[in-house]
Amino acid sequence: QTVVTQEPSFSVSPGGTVTLTCGLTSGSVSTSYYPSWYQQTPGQAPRTLIYSTNTRSSGVPDRFSGSILGNKAALTITGAQADDESDYYCVLYMGSGIYVFGTGTKVTVL
Amino acid sequence: QVQLVQSGAEVKKPGASVKVSCKASGYTFSSYGISWVRQAPGQGLEWMGWISVYNGNTNYAQKLQGRVTMTTDTSTSTVYMELRSLRSDDTAVYYCARDHLGWFDPWGQGTLVTVSS
Repeated sequence: QTVVTQEPSFSVSPGGTVTLTCGLTSGSVSTSYYPSWYQQTPGQAPRTLIYSTNTRSSGVPDRFSGSILGNKAALTITGAQADDESDYYCVLYMGSGIYVFGTGTKVTVL
Repeated sequence: QVQLVQSGAEVKKPGASVKVSCKASGYTFSSYGISWVRQAPGQGLEWMGWISVYNGNTNYAQKLQGRVTMTTDTSTSTVYMELRSLRSDDTAVYYCARDHLGWFDPWGQGTLVTVSS
């Protein structure tokens, strides 16, 4: 069974930078998994931030960026704002319409 | 604009079935598949399965195989997700999302399904 790991939580100061990662318990994350990232606030549907590793979805501010760092996918928030306080999920595409969600990271801005 | 609108909240007894709908608008319905994702209270997001609207092909998460069925009605641009033999741990918000074969966007507003005796 494929398990996708994320840090449980991160704290960042307003205006600061934080990098969240998305890894596999066995193997490396590459662009071939088309990693995508989603932001979710309590009671709301997820919002698409990044797809295909590093493409920002329409309307997403450029303080959000995606990349591959080492053997993991990464989401970097540069210049964090109060309304970035959310849960963030990565998703890896396994092909043939099959996906695996990461465990999620709770980001606190304070 | 592209929109997915889901059916309303449901309360079901253990052992029953639930069928949630997801009506698409604003794009060519047959050009994209739909994935279903659920979120139990206080938990993370879980991918449930995918259906190709083009040809009806499906892929379901292994843990739900045999209990879930996804179908489409092209005449009404609607996708359905039926989950059978409901248990208390199926209590969750269920989301549909337009599937780009690699990522999801947009998402439906979510449907709360509560399983309780």
